[in-house]
Amino acid sequence: DADVTQTPRNRITKTGKRIMLECSQTKGHDRMYWYRQDPGLGLRLIYYSFDVKDINKGEISDGYSVSRQAQAKFSLSLESAIPNQTALYFCATSDLGHDQETQYFGPGTRLLVL
Amino acid sequence: GQNIDQPTEMTATEGAIVQINCTYQTSGFNGLFWYQQHAGEAPTFLSYNVLDGLEEKGRFSSFLSRSKGYSYLLLKELQMKDSASYLCAVRDSNYQLIWGAGTKLIIKP
Repeated sequence: DADVTQTPRNRITKTGKRIMLECSQTKGHDRMYWYRQDPGLGLRLIYYSFDVKDINKGEISDGYSVSRQAQAKFSLSLESAIPNQTALYFCATSDLGHDQETQYFGPGTRLLVL
Repeated sequence: GQNIDQPTEMTATEGAIVQINCTYQTSGFNGLFWYQQHAGEAPTFLSYNVLDGLEEKGRFSSFLSRSKGYSYLLLKELQMKDSASYLCAVRDSNYQLIWGAGTKLIIKP
């Protein structure tokens, strides 16, 4: 079984709709991250969380919100989707103080906003 | 600003050796990572350098020079399955990862 899972894997939505992308992990890691990846650009950090009570904005948080429902779950919401949010979204986890805090990624969610 | 530079694309021959370079300018340095990413898939961890020098792991090696803001990933005995993008990322003084855009490596028979 995958250590980091994301649902859905693919999503098509329309401009203005609210959608939620979900991430779950069984690695027992404290830290969780949401990134987006666009062609020709590096991964860009949207939000990150170091524990259940800690939420931090990343480089490109405008238009997004997150919820850390439990240590193992971290959800990303697009309140009103727009076409330039079409991208590949990755969730990642890392373990504070261990394993060089290497980040481990989920399989990704491919989002298309029409 | 913070910047990670990698070549956009490289081509190499099966069985050969290829070196992928990464230069960086970041606010602070707390380690450099290399990841492999096959098309449409998740990045997977390859190597980590925090001290100057060479780290070897099987067919893959990674080198770091902090004074030059430079790293390279060396892939030996190339196989067709090594066709992928290779991402360089630096952890800055805020402990955030700054990512390069990746180098797409094409392996030809």
